[in-house]
Amino acid sequence: DAKTTQPTSMDCAEGRAANLPCNHSTISGNEYVYWYRQIHSQGPQYIIHGLKNNETNEMASLIITEDRKSSTLILPHATLRDTAVYYCIVPTQGGSEKLVFGKGTKLTVNP
Amino acid sequence: GAGVSQSPSNKVTEKGKDVELRCDPISGHTALYWYRQSLGQGLEFLIYFQGNSAPDKSGLPSDRFSAERTGGSVSTLTIQRTQQEDSAVYLCASSLGFGLYGYTFGSGTRLTVV
Repeated sequence: DAKTTQPTSMDCAEGRAANLPCNHSTISGNEYVYWYRQIHSQGPQYIIHGLKNNETNEMASLIITEDRKSSTLILPHATLRDTAVYYCIVPTQGGSEKLVFGKGTKLTVNP
Repeated sequence: GAGVSQSPSNKVTEKGKDVELRCDPISGHTALYWYRQSLGQGLEFLIYFQGNSAPDKSGLPSDRFSAERTGGSVSTLTIQRTQQEDSAVYLCASSLGFGLYGYTFGSGTRLTVV
């Protein structure tokens, strides 16, 4: 898998936008960027993925830089329930295409 | 089913006993993955199934661990002669296939070896 780098932890005030960065400078042209999160004691939850265009769904927005070397996950109005570990993953295409989870970013949303 | 179902949700076993963990993936999902997560640690890949075959078993930690999948559906992870270091949450995920699709994870089985 292409290596990703994320901050260990971040804090955000409830109701504010949470912007979670991820560096993936070794990403290849056909590799997607995936974001998952894991709320305490639950299985990881898919959030969003993208290749080169910005993406938005009901959970979040994903902004990918033009050179694709970094991306930002945006939770537009963070709630206390968004407190979780957020994983940015760039799986290698082909083979088992397994997701390799790093340490992620622990996001704490404060009241 | 609507989601990935795992059973049991909790299992306490004595050291040296064998255990079987079950995963029922989303209907039609051809890919199935097993992970484990020890307390306070990240997710560790164990094994990948495509249909009934397992082309990637690289994450199985020892020969005490084995898994099978039948009918392209249900999978069973078996741990023989359990050790205390096997205590963890074992997570199963399924997918239609990668590229444009991600995984859906189950809620996991919490295994405690005493």
